[in-house]
Amino acid sequence: GDSVTQMEGPVTLSEEAFLTINCTYTATGYPSLFWYVQYPGEGLQLLLKATKADDKGSNKGFEATYRKETTSFHLEKGSVQVSDSAVYFCALSGSGNQFYFGTGTSLTVIP
Amino acid sequence: DAGITQSPRHKVTETGTPVTLRCHQTENHRYMYWYRQDPGHGLRLIHYSYGVKDTDKGEVSDGYSVSRSKTEDFLLTLESATSSQTSVYFCAISGTGNQYTEAFFGQGTRLTVV
Repeated sequence: GDSVTQMEGPVTLSEEAFLTINCTYTATGYPSLFWYVQYPGEGLQLLLKATKADDKGSNKGFEATYRKETTSFHLEKGSVQVSDSAVYFCALSGSGNQFYFGTGTSLTVIP
Repeated sequence: DAGITQSPRHKVTETGTPVTLRCHQTENHRYMYWYRQDPGHGLRLIHYSYGVKDTDKGEVSDGYSVSRSKTEDFLLTLESATSSQTSVYFCAISGTGNQYTEAFFGQGTRLTVV
């Protein structure tokens, strides 16, 4: 079945450091891929998405490219800020209109 | 923000009692989902609905039932609460139902079963 595997956390970075959170997926067909962010005590918010191979999703300085050949959708940001501290979830939506989520990666950015 | 309201936001209940959580949307979206979030497991799908009175099971449906009598409301019932159902529950909605559309989430309900 469809599934998502993402990098284990927690991740701790200094402000202005480069961020990568790895995500790989297994799916039949051609899923859409998403990154969600969750701040403490809140629900998940969409960060970015890509709906076909080679698409790049971007938002708030974060980017991820849909790589069909490596079944990956890694999240990157060139310079993180303290306000980026949160839990990040990789997800896919495939046939059957269901969403599948990774286990989440907690990011802490220290000044 | 998508119009999704979950109630209650927090609840403490005793083992063996029935509990109902409510999700209300104002977006007229067709698809609605209930997830639970637990450390180390991410989000796991409990049940989902693809229309009024149309529901289906997710990967962790045992001990849960759902109902959707109106487009805007999706109820999750724990028939006889157990300590293993202590969790944070999230409702989500999705509009068109095709795989290109993202899901929008409610604020969550923190349920503690004692």
